[in-house]
Amino acid sequence: QSALTQPPSVSGSPGQSVTISCTGASSDVGSYNRVSWYQQSPGTAPKLMIYEVSNRPSGVPDRFSGSKSGNTASLTISGLQAEDEAEYFCSSYTSSSTWVFGGGTKLTVL
Amino acid sequence: VQLVQSGAEVKKPGASVKVSCKASGYNFTIYALHWVRQAPGQSLEYMGWINTAIGITKYSQKFQGRVTITRDTSASIVYMELSSLRSEDTAVYYCARTAQWVFDYWGQGTLVTVSS
Repeated sequence: QSALTQPPSVSGSPGQSVTISCTGASSDVGSYNRVSWYQQSPGTAPKLMIYEVSNRPSGVPDRFSGSKSGNTASLTISGLQAEDEAEYFCSSYTSSSTWVFGGGTKLTVL
Repeated sequence: VQLVQSGAEVKKPGASVKVSCKASGYNFTIYALHWVRQAPGQSLEYMGWINTAIGITKYSQKFQGRVTITRDTSASIVYMELSSLRSEDTAVYYCARTAQWVFDYWGQGTLVTVSS
């Protein structure tokens, strides 16, 4: 199972919006709405930000949103804040009954 | 909900390591538990999971034959054993719970260092 493809880095100024893409295959992202997104700061465990493509757990600001089209899922962060600077990973359930993660995207708030 | 993992390990190439993950605060057998690793400066890498109710496991193809995930339901603990260690296995190993296909809770991570 190949890792999902994410851009290595994105950046934006406070208040702006950024979108992180996550491209998989018909055996994972394309077949299931079981895509989730995680935020990870250095030295800490990942934190769930979006599940089932576009749902936010309680406590996650509504500035975070998700979508999917075909084999590509996307995470959009609007109204960027300094605290959003972190690494973001996507994940998808696969047809092999396992999961796969993306390569990670480092978000820099300028 | 808490997932508390065992402490850091240092192993020699060719050895095996067994990491534990103790769950508390919920009904252990209702949720699957998974293992995910992260090499220094690298992305998350999925290893496999266990159905904690019936003990069935499923492993990522990359680790098939080298990883074994087991559980002790009486103690609410899941174990991950990785054999034939090599330097590339140096990583932080996380256990994580899934609820509805989502990793909702994570352990604190266990650093495994493989070095001669």
